[in-house]
Amino acid sequence: ETGVTQTPRHLVMGMTNKKSLKCEQHLGHNAMYWYKQSAKKPLELMFVYNFKEQTENNSVPSRFSPECPNSSHLFLHLHTLQPEDSALYLCASSQASTSGGPADTQYFGPGTRLTVL
Amino acid sequence: GQQVMQIPQYQHVQEGEDFTTYCNSSTTLSNIQWYKQRPGGHPVFLIQLVKSGEVKKQKRLTFQFGEAKKNSSLHITATQTTDVGTYFCGSGNTPLVFGKGTRLSVIA
Repeated sequence: ETGVTQTPRHLVMGMTNKKSLKCEQHLGHNAMYWYKQSAKKPLELMFVYNFKEQTENNSVPSRFSPECPNSSHLFLHLHTLQPEDSALYLCASSQASTSGGPADTQYFGPGTRLTVL
Repeated sequence: GQQVMQIPQYQHVQEGEDFTTYCNSSTTLSNIQWYKQRPGGHPVFLIQLVKSGEVKKQKRLTFQFGEAKKNSSLHITATQTTDVGTYFCGSGNTPLVFGKGTRLSVIA
């Protein structure tokens, strides 16, 4: 256990469904991340939240919508996905680096294996 | 932002052989972090290097940061089947930028 939990662990959804992925960290961190991991693009950064503010959105399609209500919780809302969105979605957290210093360790959750039919 | 290239993409070794993966950048890196992801698992932090020429060891694993801080390597001596997985390097601030990883297979 790394202190980062993700639910559900597995999700199968149709292209017209709406679902949400949940991430929770119990480490007191102030930065949280969503990654997509597929065979073609390992560890593709999607979103970064730093002190609950979204600081990075790596050209992610609008069918993925993140939400960070507080520093411990992160959601990824999914809507009208495509089969190519099938992948492992990993959440991670860390202490945000300050003053340009090196990044703190990232702690990853177990991931949600998503299959879009 | 800092970009890192990782080679090789795949490596198959016989158990007992050594293994090395390299992380390279065209720009000076502020730091290097190494992670291991077992098959079916999630990335787990191994180590961070921040100083020029730094070398750190963890049992059979040796991590090195180049003098120019543009490259790093992870070397495993006498691989075991438990070493199987994908090794990622990452660099930068919040967020880290990860390389594409090296997938290691160990044949018993």
